[in-house]
Amino acid sequence: DIQMTQSPSSLSASIGDRVTITCRASQSISNFLNWYQQKPGKAPKLLISAASTLQSGVPSRFSGGGSGTDFTLTISSLQPGDFATYYCQQTFATPPPTFGQGTRLEIK
Amino acid sequence: QVQLVESGGGVVQPGKSLRLSCAASGFVFGTYAMHWVRQAPGKGLEWLAVISFDDTVKNYADSVKGRFTISRDNSKNTIHLLMNGLRVEDTAVYYCAKDYWRLRYYFDSWGQGTVVTVSS
Repeated sequence: DIQMTQSPSSLSASIGDRVTITCRASQSISNFLNWYQQKPGKAPKLLISAASTLQSGVPSRFSGGGSGTDFTLTISSLQPGDFATYYCQQTFATPPPTFGQGTRLEIK
Repeated sequence: QVQLVESGGGVVQPGKSLRLSCAASGFVFGTYAMHWVRQAPGKGLEWLAVISFDDTVKNYADSVKGRFTISRDNSKNTIHLLMNGLRVEDTAVYYCAKDYWRLRYYFDSWGQGTVVTVSS
């Protein structure tokens, strides 16, 4: 199975900050990388597919990049509703699709 | 809009069985693969199982293979997860999730989850 590693595991930031979360795959996955946002007590929400394709309704302050083994999720200007846990997921080699361990984004 | 509603969770003893259900609405159910994903308390996401739109393909995570069975009823817009031989480590929130299309293995809609607790 392909292992996905996110960094950092947790991050404190302020409203208006620009933040970047990194996801690394244990082997090349081309652009088969997706990002989800999960708020406490809620189901995950798909934000980005194919490394950089923003899902309908997702604010443009979210962006994704990368290919091969290294990927990023960037939030250009943090808003109050962005404080959540973010997961990357590879779908290059399935089954199984595998997730990163998550990055918890907290208010500083 | 897409709605997925899970049911069937509860408290069960180790070794026992439980059947989860997920009722879908708001999309053409019979044209999408469907999945189960779980999240243990305080932990990350773990994919468990998928069933293709036409019930011809079923795949499972190694952690549940041979114990869990996924099924679907396209006439009732529902999927099920039959969980046998439950273990303490199966304690989690169980989500059903809609595949983006046919076996793309990523999920554009999720249910609210149903809690399964395995404890003696």
